[in-house]
Amino acid sequence: AQKVTQAQTEISVVEKEDVTLDCVYETRDTTYYLFWYKQPPSGELVFLIRRNSFDEQNEISGRYSWNFQKSTSSFNFTITASQVVDSAVYFCALRLTGGFKTIFGAGTRLFVKA
Amino acid sequence: DAGVTQSPTHLIKTRGQQVTLRCSPKSGHDTVSWYQQALGQGPQFIFQYYEEEERQRGNFPDRFSGHQFPNYSSELNVNALLLGDSALYLCASSIGGGQPQHFGDGTRLSIL
Repeated sequence: AQKVTQAQTEISVVEKEDVTLDCVYETRDTTYYLFWYKQPPSGELVFLIRRNSFDEQNEISGRYSWNFQKSTSSFNFTITASQVVDSAVYFCALRLTGGFKTIFGAGTRLFVKA
Repeated sequence: DAGVTQSPTHLIKTRGQQVTLRCSPKSGHDTVSWYQQALGQGPQFIFQYYEEEERQRGNFPDRFSGHQFPNYSSELNVNALLLGDSALYLCASSIGGGQPQHFGDGTRLSIL
């Protein structure tokens, strides 16, 4: 069975601080996709990134960066110089290659204070 | 270019009633998935529709059923509503089942 664990329920930071959201996943399959989504108060899930299990290169997109390590089954997400607009719930998710079901973690609620 | 649209936005029902939620996928998308998100939890996969057929189902009872129409839009039906069915119901569309999903704003269902 597959599982995604986001151990941090809530994180509170002050604007301009860096923050890392942790994600640990479990699967016996060797091919899969990992995702991060952002859910603002409006409720819509906004896609941030998809990572293939074969690609362990870290990725940077503006203030966002992702660290994928298969050895520890982790796919962590760092926001550099956080802003108030980053306040949201962030979900890490897993889907097996060739599968159709996406498994989400419980989410981490991020508060960024001005 | 309209994204995924869901209706209604909010809905209040009582136990035992039936409800139908609707979803129009993003233009060009042919696959629709439905998720249930209880308060404070991550979305839980209900099922996915492709070519008007249910392709995969999560751990939900038969009270949850769906349909996909030739224009790729979809409905989620829930019968014999229980208090525990209160949640945000999210629809997601994609091109095929393997591409990143685009989500709608959801329908918030409250059961009294």
